[in-house]
Formats: sequence, structure tokens, C-alpha cells
Amino acid sequence: AQSVSQHNHHVILSEAASLELGCNYSYGGTVNLFWYVQYPGQHLQLLLKYFSGDPLVKGIKGFEAEFIKSKFSFNLRKPSVQWSDTAEYFCAVNGVSGGSYIPTFGRGTSLIVHP
Amino acid sequence: KAGVTQTPRYLIKTRGQQVTLSCSPISGHRSVSWYQQTPGQGLQFLFEYFSETQRNKGNFPGRFSGRQFSNSRSEMNVSTLELGDSALYLCASSPGLAGGPTTGELFFGEGSRLTVL
Repeated sequence: AQSVSQHNHHVILSEAASLELGCNYSYGGTVNLFWYVQYPGQHLQLLLKYFSGDPLVKGIKGFEAEFIKSKFSFNLRKPSVQWSDTAEYFCAVNGVSGGSYIPTFGRGTSLIVHP
Repeated sequence: KAGVTQTPRYLIKTRGQQVTLSCSPISGHRSVSWYQQTPGQGLQFLFEYFSETQRNKGNFPGRFSGRQFSNSRSEMNVSTLELGDSALYLCASSPGLAGGPTTGELFFGEGSRLTVL
């Protein structure tokens, strides 16, 4: 069975600080990797995704993530956070098998950015 | 393009009752999946439907069921409600591919918040 671990449950930063949220997964086969974000009062939306190719992927609002296959990790980064980045962030893994998938989400990281 | 629409947005039920939640996917999306979100367990996969067939199922009891109609709209049903079923139930749609693996990129609705008293 696949699993996803997000190491930081709550992160508090000041504006302009750098951000790195850890995500590790366990699955033996091909994976598609995602970060989703849930802003206060809004629905979950895709931040970025990795399917194949360049392991460094860029998403919306200046976020990026790096897939390190040997470490089973897909950490999210942003060089300089803004107050508007305050949100809940979810790492998700889709283990690809037999033409379909079962998505597994991490528990989420609550990010608060102080102005 | 209209997003994923879930109804009702909020509902309150008592133990032992049943509930039906509805989800209309983005036009053209054929895959619909359901999730339970709680503070303690996070987001947990319930099931996924594609072309009216349940393609995958998570680790939930048989009280949780679903179906998908020919227009891709989906419903999920929870029978004999328990206090622990109180949660935000999210529906997500995905384009889906009939003949091969899906990428799994999900488009979520705003959810139906169920409170069981």
C-alpha cells in the first residue's frame, strides 16, 4: 500500500522568508506526484504536478517542487513567501497500476505567513 | 468552464439516518472520485467512478456507497450514520482516459459538510 508523509504539520513564517515543505512517499511503482493548496474558505486546487521528465517542476504563484526518486521525496519550495500564501498544503501521490490509480494524500501542512 | 458542483453544501443528520450527496463534474470529465476530510485523518479516498463503473475503492465500510450516471454526475450515500461520519466530503473530477492510466490530476468541488448528531 502506498503512503504519504508530510513532516511539518504547522509552519509559521514571516513574509519574505523561504519555505520548504517536506513530502515523502512509499510506493514501489510508477507515481504521479502533486501538491494541492487550500486557501481559507476556498476549495482544494492544484499547485503543481510531476508526471515524468525534469524532476524540478514549477507551479503557480512562484512555487516549485523537486522529485528525488532515490529519496522518494517531492518537497515543495518557495524562495520568498507572501501573506497570501497562508493556506493548507497537501502532498498527494497516485500510484499508477493497471490503468487506474488510488490517490493518497498526506495529512497536510498548515502554513501561516505573518505580514 | 463551470467547476465541480457539490450539493448540498451543509447538512445535519442524526445517528442512524442515511444521507445522499451529489456531485456534478466539470463538463467532459468522466472520472469522479470522492474523499472524506477530517482534522484527524486528513483526506481519505472513498471511491472512484469512471463511465458509470466503480474503478477503485478505498478502505471504508460498506455503509459508504456511490454511483455514477450516464452524464457523469455522481452520488454517494452513507447509510446508518455514525457520529464519526461527521466530515467534509469532497468530490473531484478528472478527465480520465478509457484505455490507459489516468494522470490523476484532480479538480475539487467545495465539499459537503456533514454533521451527525
